[in-house]
Amino acid sequence: LAKTTQPISMDSYEGQEVNITCSHNNIATNDYITWYQQFPSQGPRFIIQGYKTKVTNEVASLFIPADRKSSTLSLPRVSLSDTAVYYCLVGPTTGYSSASKIIFGSGTRLSIRP
Amino acid sequence: NAGVTQTPKFQVLKTGQSMTLQCAQDMNHNSMYWYRQDPGMGLRLIYYSASEGTTDKGEVPNGYNVSRLNKREFSLRLESAAPSQTSVYFCASSEDQRLSSYNEQFFGPGTRLTVL
Repeated sequence: LAKTTQPISMDSYEGQEVNITCSHNNIATNDYITWYQQFPSQGPRFIIQGYKTKVTNEVASLFIPADRKSSTLSLPRVSLSDTAVYYCLVGPTTGYSSASKIIFGSGTRLSIRP
Repeated sequence: NAGVTQTPKFQVLKTGQSMTLQCAQDMNHNSMYWYRQDPGMGLRLIYYSASEGTTDKGEVPNGYNVSRLNKREFSLRLESAAPSQTSVYFCASSEDQRLSSYNEQFFGPGTRLTVL
């Protein structure tokens, strides 16, 4: 199973760009990188997923270097509502038993200040 | 669409009691999951079901049973609750993990369970 390491917590201010890096040194060839966001008392919500290079959607960007041993979630111009826990997941997305290979770590607790 | 719904929202049990947590999704997803989340921790997979009629163990299956009643519903049963099972339980669903390379999971609001 691909283990991930990410900072326990981060602080930033409204309007800033926030980058959260995740290390996954033993990522496998068929593993994807997925990020989820979780607000208190809610279930996680999918943010973005990628395999290599850069992926961008309306919420965030995901940067993945060529060796794929790390990835960076970038949140542009954060607001107070971006205060949440962010999880980096690495695992296959296909195959019968792929769900059992996806591990939610402890996540990064992001706090945004006014 | 309601997405993924869970009942009950809260539950208090005494040690040894049994109960079933209900989960339903209206997105026509094939795959469904049960997770538990302890305070300050990430989610841990209990059981999952890749399709109707199939279930498999996840990371922490001991003390739980599941039933994939039909494509919409996936229930989690605690036969003899223990204080160590105090947690928040989340149900999730996704399209079809066997075929899709886009494996977004949609989560329910959770059930907060306390076992005394």
